[in-house]
Amino acid sequence: NAGVIQTPRHKVTGKGQEATLWCEPISGHSAVFWYRQTIVQGLEFLTYFRNQAPIDDSGMPKERFSAQMPNQSHSTLKIQSTQPQDSAVYLCASSLGDRANERLFFGHGTKLSVL
Amino acid sequence: QQKVQQSPESLIVPEGGMASLNCTSSDRNVDYFWWYRQHSGKSPKMLMSIFSNGEKEEGRFTVHLNKASLHTSLHIRDSQPSDSALYLCAASRANTGKLTFGDGTVLTVKP
Repeated sequence: NAGVIQTPRHKVTGKGQEATLWCEPISGHSAVFWYRQTIVQGLEFLTYFRNQAPIDDSGMPKERFSAQMPNQSHSTLKIQSTQPQDSAVYLCASSLGDRANERLFFGHGTKLSVL
Repeated sequence: QQKVQQSPESLIVPEGGMASLNCTSSDRNVDYFWWYRQHSGKSPKMLMSIFSNGEKEEGRFTVHLNKASLHTSLHIRDSQPSDSALYLCAASRANTGKLTFGDGTVLTVKP
């Protein structure tokens, strides 16, 4: 079991450019979560899917961030017109999704640097 | 907005000593509490979970939960240098799998 796979591991973008981050959940897991981690804000919830359906996007900055899960094997987080304040480690996690009290398994994250 | 507060922000204990970390949720509707450990440069990994009042022990790690006060604590006995990490507390409600994390406690175990 390879665990949750995130690509790329590092991404550098210029201010105003677009960034797309990819996540492959653990096979058989039906829930996928996106979090963002910075020194200042800590680990912040962004959005999550269950069985590919968006369930809660309350943490997403509405204007420039979007997330999709087109199939059960991958999810994407897209940031348009990136800003320096978007610099963070973006973590994807998955869980079995059968119950609400299941542990999350995190990927290694994508470190996004906006210059 | 649901908040999870952790204390202390940082903690230094000698090797072999006891580390005690605290966490309180301000959301009265939380049902589950989690402790995750994140070593430097790595992703968070679940250490322990607790859903009922009382105590749960796994090896050197013990968690307590008081649901009335929405307070949980993690105790690490016989601390090892490899325990040095960021410890994150999280809380969630029964109607969602979403976890809300605290800012964490940085534990340093000095040899």
